[in-house]
Amino acid sequence: AQKITQTQPGMFVQEKEAVTLDCTYDTSDPSYGLFWYKQPSSGEMIFLIYQGSYDQQNATEGRYSLNFQKARKSANLVISASQLGDSAMYFCAMRDLNTNAGKSTFGDGTTLTVKP
Amino acid sequence: DVKVTQSSRYLVKRTGEKVFLECVQDMDHENMFWYRQDPGLGLRLIYFSYDVKMKEKGDIPEGYSVSREKKERFSLILESASTNQTSMYLCASTISGPLVEQYFGPGTRLTVT
Repeated sequence: AQKITQTQPGMFVQEKEAVTLDCTYDTSDPSYGLFWYKQPSSGEMIFLIYQGSYDQQNATEGRYSLNFQKARKSANLVISASQLGDSAMYFCAMRDLNTNAGKSTFGDGTTLTVKP
Repeated sequence: DVKVTQSSRYLVKRTGEKVFLECVQDMDHENMFWYRQDPGLGLRLIYFSYDVKMKEKGDIPEGYSVSREKKERFSLILESASTNQTSMYLCASTISGPLVEQYFGPGTRLTVT
């Protein structure tokens, strides 16, 4: 069984600063993917970034990067140069890459508030 | 752009009513999902479907059923709504493949009174 843990229910960051949102995971699957999604107050989940367990390099996508430490089973999201529009709930998720169905396990989420 | 739409943003139903939540995606995705989201509990998978007429139970299927008669449409059915089914319901879809993201609809906030 897969499990995702997000230990920070809420985080605050000053505008233009960087912030790290924590995510640890547990799985027995040999091949897995880790995902981050953003959910603004409007409710719609937006995909941000993903990383495969076999990837040697950390994924980056614009201001988002995924700090993947396989031995520690962590996949933290780093947002650089925070903007007011980054205020949202963020979810870490994972799935077994040996199935095609795309079924994912989600964490409980972290609410990020960016202060002006 | 992939678009996932849900039939209602807000819905209020009475206890015991049969409730249908509809989800439609326009990108020919094989896989579709229904989640419920509750504060402090993240997203929990109710059911998913990897093909027309195919379905599999997720983590919390009790009290729910689903229907997928056409590839683009995935319906969630609450046979007899109860107050503990008051929640935000999110539909998602994805193509088949190893490292692919899910596309979500805007959600339906269901209140059962």
